[in-house]
Amino acid sequence: DAGVIQSPRHEVTEMGQEVTLRCKPISGHNSLFWYRQTMMRGLELLIYFNNNVPIDDSGMPEDRFSAKMPNASFSTLKIQPSEPRDSAVYFCASSDYMGNEQFFGPGTRLTVL
Amino acid sequence: GNSVTQMEGPVTLSEEAFLTINCTYTATGYPSLFWYVQYPGEGLQLLLKATKADDKGSNKGFEATYRKETTSFHLEKGSVQVSDSAVYFCALKSGGGSNYKLTFGKGTLLTVNP
Repeated sequence: DAGVIQSPRHEVTEMGQEVTLRCKPISGHNSLFWYRQTMMRGLELLIYFNNNVPIDDSGMPEDRFSAKMPNASFSTLKIQPSEPRDSAVYFCASSDYMGNEQFFGPGTRLTVL
Repeated sequence: GNSVTQMEGPVTLSEEAFLTINCTYTATGYPSLFWYVQYPGEGLQLLLKATKADDKGSNKGFEATYRKETTSFHLEKGSVQVSDSAVYFCALKSGGGSNYKLTFGKGTLLTVNP
């Protein structure tokens, strides 16, 4: 299995631009999580889905952030418009119905200038 | 709400030294507890876990025991190696089955020098 796949691995953009991060969970997993990691705030859960349905989006920082999971094999996290304070590493993780382990992708390093 | 408090880093040790990274938690009920490890430039990966009181999780020479009375899950290793240099995260699980989330501590950076 290829594991959780995220793209792009690195993104550099200018303030005000739209950014879309992509995630492909492990096949057969039905829970998907988006996290943000910064030095100042550590690892924060932004949103998670169960069977493609958003369950808890209380960690989404503001309306500029949105996430979708149109099917079991794909999810996006969109920031529009982006701001310099959004610079961080964004991780996607997935797990199966037992929830015994989350498998993390390699992350997307976002830099907003 | 649920929370995890772990030892502030960074921690710097010499090879073969003994490691302890403290972790305490606040939660309702008896959550499952985890240690995840993040190597440079990578995502987190599960190191070990324990699902009930007095359980001991172990992997790659690391151990942690679920202590209900002290609400703790301290990570230990008897003899660290340079390859153990990484960031270590303590976490607890709330919810059940596939409808759950993890609450992570802030992470502890471990550097092991040869």
